[in-house]
Amino acid sequence: AQSVTQPDIHITVSEGASLELRCNYSYGATPYLFWYVQSPGQGLQLLLKYFSGDTLVQGIKGFEAEFKRSQSSFNLRKPSVHWSDAAEYFCAVGAYAGNMLTFGGGTRLMVKP
Amino acid sequence: EPEVTQTPSHQVTQMGQEVILRCVPISNHLYFYWYRQILGQKVEFLVSFYNNEISEKSEIFDDQFSVERPDGSNFTLKIRSTKLEDSAMYFCASSAGLAGNNEQFFGPGTRLTVL
Repeated sequence: AQSVTQPDIHITVSEGASLELRCNYSYGATPYLFWYVQSPGQGLQLLLKYFSGDTLVQGIKGFEAEFKRSQSSFNLRKPSVHWSDAAEYFCAVGAYAGNMLTFGGGTRLMVKP
Repeated sequence: EPEVTQTPSHQVTQMGQEVILRCVPISNHLYFYWYRQILGQKVEFLVSFYNNEISEKSEIFDDQFSVERPDGSNFTLKIRSTKLEDSAMYFCASSAGLAGNNEQFFGPGTRLTVL
């Protein structure tokens, strides 16, 4: 069974600073990997996904993530954070088409002015 | 752009009552899912549905829960006798089921409050 760990429960960054949110997964083969963002009281919005191919994937809102098989990681990055990026971020893993997604515990991002 | 819709957005019920949460998945999708998120916690998988039957379910999805696709567009989650601990946000999702692609599209959620 797959599992996901997001080691950082809370992160605070200054507006304009760079951001990296960590995600580690456990799965025997190459998984499908996702990052979702959730604003308070809202649903889940997909930021980006990795299925295969280029290990650096670009997403919406200026986010990118890099799949590193050797480290079982899929960290999310953004070069310059905006106040509107404050939200909860979830990493998720799925094994095959139609498979359930397993979510990490989430990282709450706060942005200082 | 097609989207998953859910009704109601908020449901309040008394403990022991039955509730039905409704979802309309994206029309050409083949897989349907329910997830839940207890306040302040992570999103947890409940069940997936394909070809008119359950394809996967978690240990949370016990006999109190059932799913149904009553017609060609709706997908429902029924909780037979609600408990206080069923209070959560319930998300429906759907996916096309294409080989090499497991992207799931989530609805806005139904917040269930059990009193």
